[in-house]
Amino acid sequence: EVQLLESGGGLVQPGGSLRLSCAASDFTFSSYAMSWVRQAPGKGLEWVSAISGTGGNIYYADSVKGRFTISRDNSKNTLYLQLNSLRAEDTAVYYCAIDKAAGASNWFDPWGQGTLVTVSS
Amino acid sequence: SYVLTQPPSVSVAPGKTARITCGGNNIGSKSVHWYQQRPGQAPVLVIYYDSDRPSGIPERFSGSNSGNTATLTISRVEAGDEADYYCQVWDSSIDRVFGTGTKVTVL
Repeated sequence: EVQLLESGGGLVQPGGSLRLSCAASDFTFSSYAMSWVRQAPGKGLEWVSAISGTGGNIYYADSVKGRFTISRDNSKNTLYLQLNSLRAEDTAVYYCAIDKAAGASNWFDPWGQGTLVTVSS
Repeated sequence: SYVLTQPPSVSVAPGKTARITCGGNNIGSKSVHWYQQRPGQAPVLVIYYDSDRPSGIPERFSGSNSGNTATLTISRVEAGDEADYYCQVWDSSIDRVFGTGTKVTVL
């Protein structure tokens, strides 16, 4: 069964940095694009960033462009999200998910259980 | 930006049918995907490509998409269907976008 396990969340001060990891298992990691999606407390889902299977194509939501960096290490079956210049509004549970595509569309399946990032002084 | 509008809440009695709408400009020209998120859990895909069900999702879940509205229909609603539901689309100009979410309450 496909497993995605996020880690690296925690409490960080505004302006600080954090690196999230997503360890993948039981599927051919390098064959799939991956995404990060976040959910602020009591709020809806917001797509954050996506990366292709090879890492050659990367996409960001406007809200994080220039502050967050997505990457992957296919030799370690691990996805990363580097969060810099953090703001209070970045406080959220961050989920990783397989980013599936066919034709002219993408969707997320499955998702990890998430890791909580809290930005506060 | 592209906005997907969902009703904040839908209430339904057990055994009845719940319909959750997702409104967007010409959404019928895009493929719509739906996710279920139970309290305290990660989202789960329940419908992709407007009306396809992933393996393990009951036939009670179905979807449709036309014009400016996509709809997720849950037939014979059960207590376990109580959750938040989100629609999502992808478009080359807007990338990946989620709807505002709908809380389904089983009475």
